[in-house]
This record gives sequence, C-alpha cells and structure tokens, in this order.
Amino acid sequence: AQSVAQPEDQVNVAEGNPLTVKCTYSVSGNPYLFWYVQYPNRGLQFLLKYITGDNLVKGSYGFEAEFNKSQTSFHLKKPSALVSDSALYFCAVRDTSQGNLIFGKGTKLSVKP
Amino acid sequence: ETGVTQTPRHLVMGMTNKKSLKCEQHLGHNAMYWYKQSAKKPLELMFVYSLEERVENNSVPSRFSPECPNSSHLFLHLHTLQPEDSALYLCASSAQPTSGSYEQYFGPGTRLTVT
Repeated sequence: AQSVAQPEDQVNVAEGNPLTVKCTYSVSGNPYLFWYVQYPNRGLQFLLKYITGDNLVKGSYGFEAEFNKSQTSFHLKKPSALVSDSALYFCAVRDTSQGNLIFGKGTKLSVKP
Repeated sequence: ETGVTQTPRHLVMGMTNKKSLKCEQHLGHNAMYWYKQSAKKPLELMFVYSLEERVENNSVPSRFSPECPNSSHLFLHLHTLQPEDSALYLCASSAQPTSGSYEQYFGPGTRLTVT
C-alpha cells in the first residue's frame, strides 16, 4: 500500500537553530512529494514539491526539502528557525494509482525564542 | 489562502439539522476536493470532483452529500450527523486531479461541531 510517514509528532527547536522535519514514503513508481504547513485555525498552505530534477527543492518562507530516493525520504529543512515557523507540517505523496494526495499525520513544530 | 474561500467558518448543529458547507475557488482550477481533518488523525479525503463530475467517493456515509454545480463552487450538504462527525472540513482545488504534479490549494476550513 502507498503511504507516507512522519515519525515525529512534535519537533522542538530554538530560534536561530536549523530545523528538520522528517518524512518517509512508500509508493510504486516515481514519487511526487509535497510539503504543506497549517497555522492554527487555518487551512493548509503549500510550501514546496518534488516532481523530478534536482534533489534539493526550495520553497516558500526559506524552507527547502531534500529528496533521497535510496532512503525513500523527503525531509523538510530550514537553516535558521523563526518563532513564526511554529505550526503543523504535513508531508504528502501522490497516490500513483488514483492521482490523489496521501497525507502524513502531521508534525507539530515548536520554535522557542 | 484567499484563492479558496469557505463559509461558514464555524458551524454548530444538532443531529437532526440539515446544513450546507460552501466552497468557492478563484484560481481557475478544474478539480475540487473535500477533506475531513480530525484531531490526531491523518487528513481524510472525502470527495473529488473533476470538471464538475465526481471522480472519487471514499466510502463516505450518505449523511454527507456533495454537490458541484460548476468548476468554481463546491458544496457539502449535511443531514442527521453524528457527534463523531465533528471536525474541520477543508476544501481544496487544483489544476488537474490526476496528473499528480499540481499542488492543491486549501481553504481555511469550516469547524463543525455536532451536538
């Protein structure tokens, strides 16, 4: 079965430190991978996606993600965290049989001053 | 987020009520989606519409009834809901439903409470 996993329910980071939010996937064929962010009482906002090409993808708000085919991972990263980055982050992968997105459970990122 | 709007933002309804959720997208997309987001659960895809035709219904109870009158509007009609249906209902749209490379854009959601 195709799936996506976010192994951490919560990630805590000090402001100014680098952050990583982990995501692994399982699909048949080439993966289409996405990251979304959700602020309290808001919908999901698209951050970035990997379709093909360079394994390092740059997105909104200084975020980037690294696609690693051998490890089936697509971790979200940012060199220097901001308090305003505190939110819920979702990784998603395209279901190659139906075309819809399969979302992970989400990881709560907390950035402290 | 302003590209996809949802009304109402909050809704409290009794189990015998009938209500409707509305979604409108201003992005020129031709696919629209309903998701259910419950606490500590993955996002659940409920319905997918492509070019105003329903292409997916993920075993959603019949007390949820979608309607897509045109490519810009999507409704979710609610009838005799259960308390476990309380959740955040998210609408999304995208350029193509099955190509996979197009990201989805989400509305702010309707927080539904069933009493």
